[in-house]
Amino acid sequence: EVHMLESGGGLVQPGGSLRLSCAVSGFTFSFYALTWVRQAPGKGLEWVSLISGTDGSKYYADSVKGRFTIATDRSKNTLYLQMNSLRVEDTAVYYCATRGVLNWFDSWGQGTLVTVSS
Amino acid sequence: EIVLTQSPATLSLSPGERATLSCRASQSVSNYLAWYQQKPGQAPRLVIYDASNRATGIPARFSGSGSGTDFTLTISSLEPEDFAVYYCQQRGNWPPYTFGQGTKLEIK
Repeated sequence: EVHMLESGGGLVQPGGSLRLSCAVSGFTFSFYALTWVRQAPGKGLEWVSLISGTDGSKYYADSVKGRFTIATDRSKNTLYLQMNSLRVEDTAVYYCATRGVLNWFDSWGQGTLVTVSS
Repeated sequence: EIVLTQSPATLSLSPGERATLSCRASQSVSNYLAWYQQKPGQAPRLVIYDASNRATGIPARFSGSGSGTDFTLTISSLEPEDFAVYYCQQRGNWPPYTFGQGTKLEIK
């Protein structure tokens, strides 16, 4: 069974940086992909970024391209999201999720809240 | 970017009734559509994938249908635990993955 636990959220000023972590267990990094999805307060789901486990390819939503960087540390079974030049509109709960054998987002963490405000 | 439009925005029904939720894509996504359920304060949960396949642990009262641009999630007889927000998502043409805006299924 896959378990995912996000951390690193908090309050940051506009223009600041934050790094989110997602500890993953029960999941084979090499075969599948990991992704970040966010949800602004009271709003719907927005896909943010994905990293392939097979070749390390990285993909980003246009809204975060050039500001966010996704990465993994396989030795620590951890997924990261480095967020720079944060904007008020980046305020959201950030979820990590697996894209497993079904090619859908089939296991999710509980989310971590990022608040960008002065 | 493929836009997914869900209808209705809110659906008010009673336990035991049948629920029908719709998702329309701005262009064909073949059968690459999924449905997620989200309850307040919880992460989304995969319910249906590839338009019509139930995810692990999902009761048989949930079914999905459709292909191309028009999709439906049906809950045959609502249980109290089914009241939640439901999102559709496509992977027919990504990046980006896109989600619909959600349908809130509430108790009447």
